[in-house]
Amino acid sequence: QSALTQPASVSGSPGQSITISCTGTSSDVGGYNYVSWYQQHPGKAPKLMIYEVSDRPSGVPDRFSGSKSGNTASLTISGLQAEDEADYYCSSYTSSSTLAVFGTGTKVTVL
Amino acid sequence: EVQLVESGGGLVQPGGSLRLSCAASGFTFSSYWMSWVRQAPGKGLEWVASIKQDGSEKYYVDSVKGRFTISRDNAKNSLFLQMNSLRDEDTAVYYCARTGGYVVSYWGQGTLVTVSS
Repeated sequence: QSALTQPASVSGSPGQSITISCTGTSSDVGGYNYVSWYQQHPGKAPKLMIYEVSDRPSGVPDRFSGSKSGNTASLTISGLQAEDEADYYCSSYTSSSTLAVFGTGTKVTVL
Repeated sequence: EVQLVESGGGLVQPGGSLRLSCAASGFTFSSYWMSWVRQAPGKGLEWVASIKQDGSEKYYVDSVKGRFTISRDNAKNSLFLQMNSLRDEDTAVYYCARTGGYVVSYWGQGTLVTVSS
């Protein structure tokens, strides 16, 4: 039940695009289309941003998009804004006994 | 409006027990999987336990198996986490989470559990 691997930090200037990767195995990310992404601001509960690899819940800006290739999923934020500065976590269904596993988390900094 | 309100956190000595509760409102509680997710201070999220709508299936992360028990009372729209034999590494904010399709669609605000002597 190892956590999915994400880069510790990613940064970009306002208006730029950034991509956060999330690497797992064939038992989780690579084997199922149940990857989701969460945004967490300091001191707050996480918020769902993407589910089932690329679907956005109502109210999430279309600047946020998701994709997957093999054992790696990605979250892309286009037109980066100051309020996007936060921690981001991926998650995936896993065939292990846990049901789901989170990524290690990525701190996004808007320069 | 969906609301999830956790309670029961606090300071407990290593080896002690604690029972967390989550009061749900604003949706049909009995129609959803529910989960507990935790976050140690300054660390990432960890999926702790999940329970099916009728309680017939339960899943746990290896580190809590045999020590934690997830349960629910659909008549009272409540989710519980009984935590026994607590360890220092169980110190975290515990979030109650409405789960569907292996996705957490709603989160509570969390309750802090501190295990320390």
